[in-house]
This record gives sequence, C-alpha cells and structure tokens, in this order.
Amino acid sequence: DQQVKQNSPSLSVQEGRISILNCDYTNSMFDYFLWYKKYPAEGPTFLISISSIKDKNEDGRFTVFLNKSAKHLSLHIVPSQPGDSAVYFCAAPDRDDKIIFGKGTRLHILP
Amino acid sequence: DADVTQTPRNRITKTGKRIMLECSQTKGHDRMYWYRQDPGLGLQLIYYSFDVKDINKGEISDGYSVSRQAQAKFSLSLESAIPNQTALYFCATSPGEDTQYFGPGTRLTVL
Repeated sequence: DQQVKQNSPSLSVQEGRISILNCDYTNSMFDYFLWYKKYPAEGPTFLISISSIKDKNEDGRFTVFLNKSAKHLSLHIVPSQPGDSAVYFCAAPDRDDKIIFGKGTRLHILP
Repeated sequence: DADVTQTPRNRITKTGKRIMLECSQTKGHDRMYWYRQDPGLGLQLIYYSFDVKDINKGEISDGYSVSRQAQAKFSLSLESAIPNQTALYFCATSPGEDTQYFGPGTRLTVL
C-alpha cells in the first residue's frame, strides 16, 4: 500500500507561471514531509520540508502547503523558471525513520 | 569534493555475475541507505544501516546484500545479477531522522 502518493506523473507549466505539485498520504502519524528535486544523471537533492504542526513553509520561490484533514500537501513554485524542470519527489519518514518516497512528478517548464 | 560518492557510475554486466556497488561518505553521518529507482516507480529502499553494526532490510531486499565496512562505507552486492535488476541505484546518508543526502547514482544494466 502506497503511503505517499503523487498521482501526476508529469506536469507542464509555462515559464513565469506558478507550478503546483501535489502529494497525498495515508499515514496520519507522519511528523513531517519533505520535497526532493532530481535532475537527470544526479541524485535527488533536498528542496524544502514542512512539519506536521504547520500548514505552510516558504523558502524563496518555493512554498509547501499542508492540509492535514485532507492528508494532502502541495509544492508551489512561483515564478517557474527553466531550471525548475526536474523530477520532484514528495517524501515522509515513517516510525522507523525510513523515508517513504512518492513515485515522483516530472515538471517541464515551457519557454 | 562530493560528500557522497558512488562507484562505479555506470556498469554493464551479464546475468549470473556478481556485482558490488560502493558508497562512501565524508559527511560523518551514521545512517546510510541504498535505493533503487525504476521509471515510474520512484525510489524503493533496498537496505539501510543506522550504524556500523546495524543492517536492516528495506522494501525490496531480495537478491541483494550489503556490507557496512565502516561508518563511511556501505556497499551493495548483487550475488547473481538478473535483468530485472537493471536500474539506477542511489546511496544516501542521514545524520538522523532528517533529510537524506544522495550520491550521484550508479546506472546498472544486466544483460
């Protein structure tokens, strides 16, 4: 059973517009959530996180929103830039401190 | 210099061969992980280690073994490689129940 779900395999957004990447989870015991970004031929890199006691965390162009009642979080990138084209993974650590990853969403920023 | 390194970066081998993938880190982290990435499947945890004497199976450990030779080194072995083990393999480290830092990945092809 997938505990962290990213239901959109890919997303295309015009440069300068807002990119919204979505993630759903099933385990209400998750304490915090992370977003990773991955370029081809590179390992994933940490992007931003949010604690379960917050509903928003902002870092520059990146904002993560958490809706605990809906078990849903989203990553907003605004304005989107060409360098944002990558695969984005939503993740959460389970009770054994293993990080559970979603399947990823490939973001294409269009010129 | 990269904090998490993986060798080799690319490897092509034949069915039945024994393969070892190596991971080294200079971050001083106790926790190390091996993941596999297949297209559309995100990152799947193979094995993880919380310190030198600790080895734990992940979601997909069958067909794999690991060795934690030192705090800085964690190697993954395929005793008898098979074609469906063709994938990208990532090593990661973590200081605790926190962000993980990934290596650049090893692309393994089993013919």
